[in-house]
Amino acid sequence: KAGVTQTPRYLIKTRGQQVTLSCSPISGHRSVSWYQQTPGQGLQFLFEYFSETQRNKGNFPGRFSGRQFSNSRSEMNVSTLELGDSALYLCASSLALALTGGDTQYFGPGTRLTVL
Amino acid sequence: AQSVTQLGSHVSVSEGALVLLRCNYSSSVPPYLFWYVQYPNQGLQLLLKYTSAATLVKGINGFEAEFKKSETSFHLTKPSAHMSDAAEYFCAVSDGSSNTGKLIFGQGTTLQVKP
Repeated sequence: KAGVTQTPRYLIKTRGQQVTLSCSPISGHRSVSWYQQTPGQGLQFLFEYFSETQRNKGNFPGRFSGRQFSNSRSEMNVSTLELGDSALYLCASSLALALTGGDTQYFGPGTRLTVL
Repeated sequence: AQSVTQLGSHVSVSEGALVLLRCNYSSSVPPYLFWYVQYPNQGLQLLLKYTSAATLVKGINGFEAEFKKSETSFHLTKPSAHMSDAAEYFCAVSDGSSNTGKLIFGQGTTLQVKP
């Protein structure tokens, strides 16, 4: 079974631009979560989508948004880029069969975003 | 609210020596706990997961972790380090009380293995 894929792997943007990152989950997985990884803040949860609905959100400004399509693929968008948005953005998928938390999250390789 | 603390941002061991990476958690409900490994320029790979079925959890690549409720700890161990174990390791907790995939990560521990 193919793993989680993320495109593109690397991106360079300038301040003020916007960017869209894509994530394809493992086949059959219904939940997709996004994380931001930086040397200073570590791994921080952005948001989670399940059945095309955002069901959890981290503490990030509204410039960060996402969506999920009917095939479970997800995109995240960052508008008005700032230098501090430079990070590795990781996508994770899970089956989401459990009624409570604890689903194993399977991570993609990430998209490295550099904002100049 | 859940939180995770990894003691030691950098651990160095000799090849063949015991690996011990420390993780303490805070949770108001029985937690689900995870250890992930990240190699340079890659995503996170699951090493093992605690789901309350057994306190000693065995994972991939010879790693294991023991859940100790009284100490709120979930330390990761490996009896004999290999050069290929050099990587960054993350402990994470999932909210066990709500239907969510959200993980809360520790700050990570970089493992260096010396020949």
